[in-house]
Amino acid sequence: DAGITQSPRYKITETGRQVTLMCHQTWSHSYMFWYRQDLGHGLRLIYYSAAADITDKGEVPDGYVVSRSKTENFPLTLESATRSQTSVYFCASKGTVNSPLHFGNGTRLTVT
Amino acid sequence: QKEVEQNSGPLSVPEGAIASLNCTYSDRGSQSFFWYRQYSGKSPELIMSIYSNGDKEDGRFTAQLNKASQYVSLLIRDSQPSDSATYLCAVNPDRGSTLGRLYFGRGTQLTVWP
Repeated sequence: DAGITQSPRYKITETGRQVTLMCHQTWSHSYMFWYRQDLGHGLRLIYYSAAADITDKGEVPDGYVVSRSKTENFPLTLESATRSQTSVYFCASKGTVNSPLHFGNGTRLTVT
Repeated sequence: QKEVEQNSGPLSVPEGAIASLNCTYSDRGSQSFFWYRQYSGKSPELIMSIYSNGDKEDGRFTAQLNKASQYVSLLIRDSQPSDSATYLCAVNPDRGSTLGRLYFGRGTQLTVWP
């Protein structure tokens, strides 16, 4: 099916572990984004990518790593998870610089 | 820091009323503006996009943009209980660039009561 999919939908991990959240889109959109959403903070931009092999930091990049070797995939890795990274993570994509974003269904991550 | 501020809410209106949601942004160079609706436990979905000063209408929704005042609003006419959700304002501050970033306000929770 066309669209943007995130996996897993739910993840529980322990402090200090590495975890990777996956994001895949079938539209061949150039732009992809990772946001986290926390109560009281709204959606905050973690990392974004304007094209394959081009990534840059957003508002809250510390503790996260991204890569974009293929246009359709934009994984987000927490190198050593901390409790403060417990959140709902949304991946999004868009085709052009002024297009609206299309969101995935989100990943709810709990770090214990 | 590209700031996007929304009236904090929560906002509660009776069914059939007009709901008014407001958003201000700090970067005068911002070039594109969006309103998203988010139901509890769901991902944001696009309601309106607006790029030029003035009003843009789509059904019961009207977006208003005033770049001089750095202000964008969303009016929901004939509000329905199904409109109860959190409304997110989003701004692309990167005029003339290809960065394409989108920054969000914290959202306004709207409740429409029967």
